Amino acid sequence: QSALTQPRSVSGSPGQSVTISCTGTSSDVGGYRYVSWYQQHPGKAPKLMIYDVTKRPSGVPDRFSASKSGNTASLTISGLQAEDEADYYCCSYAGRYTFVVFGGGTKLTVL
Amino acid sequence: QVQLQESGPGLVKPSETLSLTCAVFGYSISSGYYCVWFRQPPGTGLEWIGSIRHLEKTYYNPSLKSRVTISVDASKNQFSLNLSSVTAADTAVYYCARQPATGTWYFDLWGRGTLVSVSS
Repeated sequence: QSALTQPRSVSGSPGQSVTISCTGTSSDVGGYRYVSWYQQHPGKAPKLMIYDVTKRPSGVPDRFSASKSGNTASLTISGLQAEDEADYYCCSYAGRYTFVVFGGGTKLTVL
Repeated sequence: QVQLQESGPGLVKPSETLSLTCAVFGYSISSGYYCVWFRQPPGTGLEWIGSIRHLEKTYYNPSLKSRVTISVDASKNQFSLNLSSVTAADTAVYYCARQPATGTWYFDLWGRGTLVSVSS
């Protein structure tokens, strides 16, 4: 049982937009601006896509955006492309005892 | 080229200690970054194991804290993970990663991962 709740799967057609939610509590997602998102292709290492809730690392397309409202963070991928098909994980700082928690991951299928 | 590379045994016997090393290339381990370990059991999600910054505090996942030691060897520009008393539940792909020491919590560089199986 993961600390953060994500949908197991989402899908969309090329060119469309999809949003992946990540629900936690006031002790993690809602309490800090330290939410990050990772993309993981099969057999590969995770790749940082978003950090500090909304910031995009250099090299990540601006099709990837994110936000947070209360205890729920969201990752939106617009203009879906075939290479976006992957697992996506949200991550949050959770205070000075637990430190780091993850969501269970969402499998994005590009139809 | 900035990269991380895990190494260590791919098979560990139950009750023994799992030991992995992460070699750091392209930057100094003594600079403004934490060294981090994660794991991912087959077919499941990611789990943070712990973070350490050279000569500073170490942070461990409370569920693993009693069995985990992460250490830094700055002279070799590498860091290590020891996980004691392993069971089959510790079978996973283990990743090392980098966390900027800027007061935030995200992980911007990952190794390719190494599969460790626990079996007799």
